[in-house]
Amino acid sequence: SQQGEEDPQALSIQEGENATMNCSYKTSINNLQWYRQNSGRGLVHLILIRSNEREKHSGRLRVTLDTSKKSSSLLITASRAADTASYFCATVITGANNLFFGTGTRLTVIP
Amino acid sequence: ETGVTQSPTHLIKTRGQQVTLRCSSQSGHNTVSWYQQALGQGPQFIFQYYREEENGRGNFPPRFSGLQFPNYSSELNVNALELDDSALYLCASTPRRGQGVEQYFGPGTRLTVT
Repeated sequence: SQQGEEDPQALSIQEGENATMNCSYKTSINNLQWYRQNSGRGLVHLILIRSNEREKHSGRLRVTLDTSKKSSSLLITASRAADTASYFCATVITGANNLFFGTGTRLTVIP
Repeated sequence: ETGVTQSPTHLIKTRGQQVTLRCSSQSGHNTVSWYQQALGQGPQFIFQYYREEENGRGNFPPRFSGLQFPNYSSELNVNALELDDSALYLCASTPRRGQGVEQYFGPGTRLTVT
């Protein structure tokens, strides 16, 4: 089974609104990463947060990590139509080098 | 876009056939990982190559095999194709092994097995 699970599976918002996606995982991690995927093509790395960090920002993105609850959230502020994509969290578990992906959140931003 | 390229873009094969997918890593990257993404699912790790050696493998049968070349490009080979092998195959490169490293993904190869 996949390490991470995103919630919600799908999210539809108006342009300008904020979008929040959540990710839960099962085992101890070294770091957690968020990726974006447009229309079933390659993934683009958005942000990496290490297990000893609680919050990280990059432009309009804000990521939080709560290792006690084994969960993370991705906030996209002031959304744009171009943010329409699938968003995946991916964990790097302790002792491994590869990514374990969740099932993704499909975000639709309506102009 | 990343500097990772994959070929071909699309491929249609028949059950039982063999397929080879190719990946050129981003310049300076010595580690390549392959992932399989079924429709509507997140990518699943197949294996990773570091300096031409396999450096970790996911839960995939031996008919999934790979190679990495001295220039760090890589191939994924799948023998005895099954219908469930239909998926998007993604390769990703990183500048080094290690856990705290972001991965640079190629655009993927869409494989359809009929």
